[in-house]
Amino acid sequence: GAVVSQHPSWVICKSGTSVKIECRSLDFQATTMFWYRQFPKQSLMLMATSNEGSKATYEQGVEKDKFLINHASLTLSTLTVTSAHPEDSSFYICSARYGFGPGPQETQYFGPGTRLLVL
Amino acid sequence: GQNIDQPTEMTATEGAIVQINCTYQTSGFNGLFWYQQHAGEAPTFLSYNVLDGLEEKGRFSSFLSRSKGYSYLLLKELQMKDSASYLCAVTDSNYQLIWGAGTKLIIKP
Repeated sequence: GAVVSQHPSWVICKSGTSVKIECRSLDFQATTMFWYRQFPKQSLMLMATSNEGSKATYEQGVEKDKFLINHASLTLSTLTVTSAHPEDSSFYICSARYGFGPGPQETQYFGPGTRLLVL
Repeated sequence: GQNIDQPTEMTATEGAIVQINCTYQTSGFNGLFWYQQHAGEAPTFLSYNVLDGLEEKGRFSSFLSRSKGYSYLLLKELQMKDSASYLCAVTDSNYQLIWGAGTKLIIKP
């Protein structure tokens, strides 16, 4: 149980184009989904937190107009990198949890990640 | 501020036991997680502790002492496939997950 998928796993695009990444919880309903970015040999960096049906909460320094997040249902969240530039090349990982409050329901389950290369 | 400390890198031998420590200073505490992350892959969930004591799950065990702000992950009968980074993360009073930088574990034959 608690499987999260991401699509695509790899994407190469030209500078200036937009890229959409999908994150799905396959066997549970995710009250909250998270988007992370990880550069090579660096720590996970939380970009934003999204709850179904409401606007995402972005971490300081993350441009909400550049990284558009839509959490339209309890099983799907999308991240769109708009007008991508080479410096946006990174490993983007989503995670999802099915509950809130102290307990195992707080566990974040991660998707396999999406590697973005902007040329 | 909020802080999680864990060693940057550790080396151990195949078949041996290794203990990865994690100390934390956070605004409140609502649980501690351990994740495994192989190079180039996303993290996978290993364990969750919210009460003091030891949680055992196969070859992996996780211990928590809330009074000391301390946890460890114990890996027994090490296998080469256990070479990975191990991430400690704590949920604070606002249910925000604070991540450690991770411990890179190198297993040698």
